Amino acid sequence: AQSVTQLDSQVSVFEEAPVELRCNYSSSVSVYLFWYVQYPNQGLQLLLKYLSGSTLVKGINGFEAEFNKSQTSFHLRKPSVHISDTAEYFCAVSEYQAGTALIFGKGTTLSVSS
Amino acid sequence: GAVVSQHPSWVICKSGTSVKIECRSLDFQATTMFWYRQFPKQSLMLMATSNEGSKATYEQGVEKDKFLINHASLTLSTLTVTSAHPEDSSFYICSARSGSNYEQYFGPGTRLTVT
Repeated sequence: AQSVTQLDSQVSVFEEAPVELRCNYSSSVSVYLFWYVQYPNQGLQLLLKYLSGSTLVKGINGFEAEFNKSQTSFHLRKPSVHISDTAEYFCAVSEYQAGTALIFGKGTTLSVSS
Repeated sequence: GAVVSQHPSWVICKSGTSVKIECRSLDFQATTMFWYRQFPKQSLMLMATSNEGSKATYEQGVEKDKFLINHASLTLSTLTVTSAHPEDSSFYICSARSGSNYEQYFGPGTRLTVT
């Protein structure tokens, strides 16, 4: 079985500062990795995904993440955040096998202030 | 492409009544659909997985007689919360996957409030 640990429940930064949201996963098989963002009272929006290949993945809104197999991590980064990035961020994992569900981490609340 | 809709977007019902939530894939055939539940300021918890034409597979701790899931067609899955109670109040989100495609497409969610 897989599991996902988001190491920070809350992260607060000032506008234009860099940010890193940390995610570690555990699985006995190969996995796909995802980052989603959720704004208040809304559904999930896919930020980026790692399937295979290059370990540095670029997503929407200037976000990127790096897959590190040896450390079983998939940390999300943005070099300069905006107030509009304030939201809940979820890291998720699914097994390669078709039909398996996404397993989500507990989420990280990112608060960006001016 | 790959749009998933949910209806209703929010619903208020009285304790003891049943409520049905629909999840539709609008532009693809969803061979597998998933139902998640999200409590305020918490993560998404997988409730069940349903494959078209088959019985749903429920996660441990989810009452299958309380949360009835039907996936009768390749574009529609329904979740019926039977005899709802205030503790069933939550945000319910569905997602859909096509064939062997790894990616899941999420619906916008349904906010259920049981009074």
